[in-house]
Amino acid sequence: DTGVSQNPRHKITKRGQNVTFRCDPISEHNRLYWYRQTLGQGPEFLTYFQNEAQLEKSRLLSDRFSAERPKGSFSTLEIQRTEQGDSAMYLCASSSPGHHSPLHFGNGTRLTVT
Amino acid sequence: EDKVVQSPLSLVVHEGDTVTLNCSYEVTNFRSLLWYKQEKKAPTFLFMLTSSGIEKKSGRLSSILDKKELSSILNITATQTGDSAIYLCAVAMNYGGSQGNLIFGKGTKLSVKP
Repeated sequence: DTGVSQNPRHKITKRGQNVTFRCDPISEHNRLYWYRQTLGQGPEFLTYFQNEAQLEKSRLLSDRFSAERPKGSFSTLEIQRTEQGDSAMYLCASSSPGHHSPLHFGNGTRLTVT
Repeated sequence: EDKVVQSPLSLVVHEGDTVTLNCSYEVTNFRSLLWYKQEKKAPTFLFMLTSSGIEKKSGRLSSILDKKELSSILNITATQTGDSAIYLCAVAMNYGGSQGNLIFGKGTKLSVKP
């Protein structure tokens, strides 16, 4: 399967712990995005990479959140000092170059902070 | 503030019915409107609409954009139980050359009863 892959699928952590998620985009896609989705809401944009450069960050992305894409392939999203309000589904998406290339989403990582 | 509003928020129909889902938007610098279907996990891409009045069609699903009314509809004819899902509408804006900063609506939860 050459779709967007995310790991882990589920993560349960205690408040105050750090967590890291990984996203492997579709191989020929140079654009990578992170979104967050809570129950009953649509996905909310967090950040965007073109190759290894992080070009956009939402104001939702507090300083406890950091994302990297060091070699322009996979990406990681780290949340430090997790809070209960961080509980959500974290979705990664990728798209190919081009003005009208749609996003293709992974299955997400569901984070529960207890 | 940029926003996307979907209606209805939920809908229950019987197999064979035809449904129309609505999406309206207020955004600065509109680029395109996208529809996604979300079952249990990843939103899957359905349509991208950029021009007013041109219908996009895929099997029993079709969609059209009205830029004058700032809205779009998604039609599903002869519904099947497999159409049960949350249908998400999202708008992309001309911002930084990226398609990624999508503004999503809350979705319409469609339930198709046998």
